[in-house]
Amino acid sequence: DQQVKQNSPSLSVQEGRISILNCDYTNSMFDYFLWYKKYPAEGPTFLISISSIKDKNEDGRFTVFLNKSAKHLSLHIVPSQPGDSAVYFCAARSSGGSQGNLIFGKGTKLSVKP
Amino acid sequence: GAVVSQHPSRVICKSGTSVKIECRSLDFQATTMFWYRQFPKQSLMLMATSNEGSKATYEQGVEKDKFLINHASLTLSTLTVTSAHPEDSSFYICSGWGATDTQYFGPGTRLTVL
Repeated sequence: DQQVKQNSPSLSVQEGRISILNCDYTNSMFDYFLWYKKYPAEGPTFLISISSIKDKNEDGRFTVFLNKSAKHLSLHIVPSQPGDSAVYFCAARSSGGSQGNLIFGKGTKLSVKP
Repeated sequence: GAVVSQHPSRVICKSGTSVKIECRSLDFQATTMFWYRQFPKQSLMLMATSNEGSKATYEQGVEKDKFLINHASLTLSTLTVTSAHPEDSSFYICSGWGATDTQYFGPGTRLTVL
């Protein structure tokens, strides 16, 4: 049973426009969420995170929104750049406290076209 | 961000041999590190949690006698795939929580078992 779901396997966006990547979760005990960017044959690179006590966190072109009641979070990238093309993973920290493991969604492949 | 290294980055071995993968946290100490594997076009799946100075915790379905984990110091965890078989071919990634409440990942190790 998937606890973290990314229902869109792929997304294509024009350069300069906004990219919105969505993620849903089922476990209300998750207290911390992270977004990672991953290229093939490389480890995930951390992008941005959000604690469950917040509903928004912004870092440069990246903004993460959290809707706890809907168990939904989204990553906004604006403006999108061709270098943003990669697979984006949403991850939630399990109930293991600050050292808990992460549970990943299946990822969304973002393609930003020039 | 914090740096995690893995060695080797790529290994090809014959069926029946054992392969050791090293994971080092270069600028932070990690009492807990995690080992994931990723099959092509799939998400990262947690295999085990490596605990410094004590036994690793394995996820359901992961054979502890096949995937030996040793976490001898606060900066080094090793994963040994014993008696490797072609179905063990995968991309193995380690991670650890850095000081900024972010889980940082190594670059991964591509294992190919012939």
